[in-house]
Amino acid sequence: DIQMTQSPSSLSASVGDRVTITCRASQSIGSWLAWYQQKPQKAPKPLIYGASILQSGVPSRFSASGSGTDFTLTISSLQPEDFAIYYCQQYHTYPMTFGQGTRLE
Amino acid sequence: QVQLQESGPGLVKPSETLSLTCSVSGFSIRSAYCWGWIRQPPGKGLEWIGSICHGGTTYYNASLKSRVTVSVDTSENQFSLKLSSVTAADTAVYYCARRPNYFDFWGQGALVTVSS
Repeated sequence: DIQMTQSPSSLSASVGDRVTITCRASQSIGSWLAWYQQKPQKAPKPLIYGASILQSGVPSRFSASGSGTDFTLTISSLQPEDFAIYYCQQYHTYPMTFGQGTRLE
Repeated sequence: QVQLQESGPGLVKPSETLSLTCSVSGFSIRSAYCWGWIRQPPGKGLEWIGSICHGGTTYYNASLKSRVTVSVDTSENQFSLKLSSVTAADTAVYYCARRPNYFDFWGQGALVTVSS
């Protein structure tokens, strides 16, 4: 199985901060990576797919980059509604696997 | 707008079979894509369980494969999950989702507790 490792596991930040979360795959997954945002008691919401493509309706303060094994999600100016848990997920190979999550608080 | 909704018992006894259905609206599941199940134990991360794809091919997480069945009912525009021989470790919120490749539309989730 492809292991997805996110860092940090938790991140303390303030409104207006620029925040970066990283995700590393245990083997190359090309650009077959998605990022999700999950708020309490809610289903994950897709933010990014194809490693860098913004999902329709997602604010442009979210951006992402990377390919192969190393990926990043950046929030350019943190807003109050962005405090949540963020997950990366590879869909290159079955079983599809998720990172352990990064709690933004 | 595509919408998914999970339904099924919220409480299952140990050793019994967990059964959930995902009802899809706004899109015909027979037309394209894969449809999958993901679960999240309380306070923990996300685990992909399995998917069924256009044409009927199924894919399962090897860690659960011997216990999992995902099936589709195109006449009802639904797909289902069965997980047999459950234990307390199977207590989780179960999500259904549409998967063109990543998971683009999700249900709200159904909490299933395994307890006697």
